[in-house]
Amino acid sequence: NAGVTQTPKFQVLKTGQSMTLQCAQDMNHEYMSWYRQDPGMGLRLIHYSVGAGITDQGEVPNGYNVSRSTTEDFPLRLLSAAPSQTSVYFCASKETVNEKLFFGSGTQLSVL
Amino acid sequence: QQQVKQSPQSLIVQKGGIPIINCAYENTAFDYFPWYQQFPGKGPALLIAIRPDVSEKKEGRFTISFNKSAKQFSLHIMDSQPGDSATYFCAASASGTASKLTFGTGTRLQVTL
Repeated sequence: NAGVTQTPKFQVLKTGQSMTLQCAQDMNHEYMSWYRQDPGMGLRLIHYSVGAGITDQGEVPNGYNVSRSTTEDFPLRLLSAAPSQTSVYFCASKETVNEKLFFGSGTQLSVL
Repeated sequence: QQQVKQSPQSLIVQKGGIPIINCAYENTAFDYFPWYQQFPGKGPALLIAIRPDVSEKKEGRFTISFNKSAKQFSLHIMDSQPGDSATYFCAASASGTASKLTFGTGTRLQVTL
């Protein structure tokens, strides 16, 4: 099992550009989520999904869009990148039984 | 509003020492309290977790102590090793399939020889 796979690992954008961060999991987890990690602020929830076709906002959703067309995939879209979105982004999926989150290895994004 | 407050921000201990990381929460609906360990360049990984029906849980050298009345919980690492050097995050959530994990701000632990 690959677990949670994120691509790309690194990305540099110019202000105003759009892009999609990819996330896929092969554990058949219904719950998936996106977090951003910033120094001194821990991990903050951006968006989450409890199953295909269902998404909801987390703590810091502005500037991001998500969709969930399949159980496996949960892409995160930056609509118009801003320097404030410079961060490390983590995708995670969760076992329903014991609440354990499985994280991907992260995408380091810089917006210039 | 920070719902889970974590301290200290950083910690340096000698090999064999017992680092202690503390967390406090505000939401009384929280009923799941995990600790995650993160090495540089990697995603966080679940280390140990506790529910409020017990006051302590041990897994190997890692122990969670939980004080429901004070709304506090802490991580103790016994006989710490240089390989334990990492960032540790506490977190909390309330039950439910849509339960959202709220993380503390993290503690960077360095274990020296």
